[in-house]
Amino acid sequence: TQLLEQSPQFLSIQEGENLTVYCNSSSVFSSLQWYRQEPGEGPVLLVTVVTGGEVKKLKRLTFQFGDARKDSSLHITAAQPGDTGLYLCAGARYNFNKFYFGSGTKLNVKP
Amino acid sequence: DADVTQTPRNRITKTGKRIMLECSQTKGHDRMYWYRQDPGLGLQLIYYSFDVKDINKGEISDGYSVSRQAQAKFSLSLESAIPNQTALYFCATSETRQGSGANVLTFGAGSRLTVL
Repeated sequence: TQLLEQSPQFLSIQEGENLTVYCNSSSVFSSLQWYRQEPGEGPVLLVTVVTGGEVKKLKRLTFQFGDARKDSSLHITAAQPGDTGLYLCAGARYNFNKFYFGSGTKLNVKP
Repeated sequence: DADVTQTPRNRITKTGKRIMLECSQTKGHDRMYWYRQDPGLGLQLIYYSFDVKDINKGEISDGYSVSRQAQAKFSLSLESAIPNQTALYFCATSETRQGSGANVLTFGAGSRLTVL
């Protein structure tokens, strides 16, 4: 079993639609990060959230860290084909400095 | 040049062969990691190292070994490769960012390994 569960696993939408990806756990994390990975490349950091209830915006992307620091969500407004990729959440536990990754959400935005 | 360089990028080998994947970084980070990625499973931690004399097992270390030859170099070995080790392998580095308390991972481009 994985420490972080992501949903949905796959998402195929039309350009202009909105979507939300969820990252849930029963464990508490000191910080949570979102990465995006494109084919043939390694994951690239999008955002880090460290405070319970924190909301961060990156252009059309909105990230939220749950109040209890056990879950997070990524919301994309008006998705574009350039948003296509694999989205991964990763949590860091206190004192260990290791990252635990979710299973990923594969997003396809059709023109 | 990339901040984190992995070699080889692609490798096909046979069951029982010894394989080494190499990673070098120019970030100056102390911490280095090896992850394995399988479809539907995200990234799983194999080994990590916080400095040259510090090596730690991750979630799936069985069948793998590592060597931290220098601060900038961290290699992953499969002593006797088996087909279920076919996967995409990533090396990553990190440092602790000032103020946020959150480490950030910088990944290499990956090494795709196929074991026949």
